[in-house]
Amino acid sequence: DAGVIQSPRHEVTEMGQEVTLRCKPISGHNSLFWYRQTMMRGLELLIYFNNNVPIDDSGMPEDRFSAKMPNASFSTLKIQPSEPRDSAVYFCASSLTGNTIYFGEGSWLTVV
Amino acid sequence: AQRVTQPEKLLSVFKGAPVELKCNYSYSGSPELFWYVQYSRQRLQLLLRHISRESIKGFTADLNKGETSFHLKKPFAQEEDSAMYYCALLRSQGNLIFGKGTKLSVKP
Repeated sequence: DAGVIQSPRHEVTEMGQEVTLRCKPISGHNSLFWYRQTMMRGLELLIYFNNNVPIDDSGMPEDRFSAKMPNASFSTLKIQPSEPRDSAVYFCASSLTGNTIYFGEGSWLTVV
Repeated sequence: AQRVTQPEKLLSVFKGAPVELKCNYSYSGSPELFWYVQYSRQRLQLLLRHISRESIKGFTADLNKGETSFHLKKPFAQEEDSAMYYCALLRSQGNLIFGKGTKLSVKP
């Protein structure tokens, strides 16, 4: 398996623009996670899906952030409008519920 | 409250020296703990899972329920061990809570 696949790997955008990050989980996994990594706050869980249903979105910072999982093999994290403080590495991860969680290579977002 | 604490932001040792990366947790149930490693600008990779009780790359970690700790140890550090190390706790809901991470720097 190719592992968790994320795109884009790097994105630089201007403040106010919409950002869409994409994730393909490992085939057969039924849990999907979006984490954000910053120097100040470390790794934070943004949202967690199980069987395509959002289970815990308490980590989503504000209404500018939204996430969808239309099917078992695809998820998006959208930021609209983006702000400089959203600059971070966004990791998608997947697992078979209760088992080891595997991470993608991350999407490095810079908002200027 | 469920929490993972890694008290050291940075740990610097010389090659060949022993390493211990500290991790303490707070969890009301039976904890399932992990160590993940992140090499420079790469993905997080699973290093150890406590229930498997294995040694990976010379690293071991023992769960001490009395001290609520899951420290990561290696008897002889290598330069290629330099990385960020994250301790994580698997919640009953299925997601991981991470500590803030410890940056290990192994000097030649």
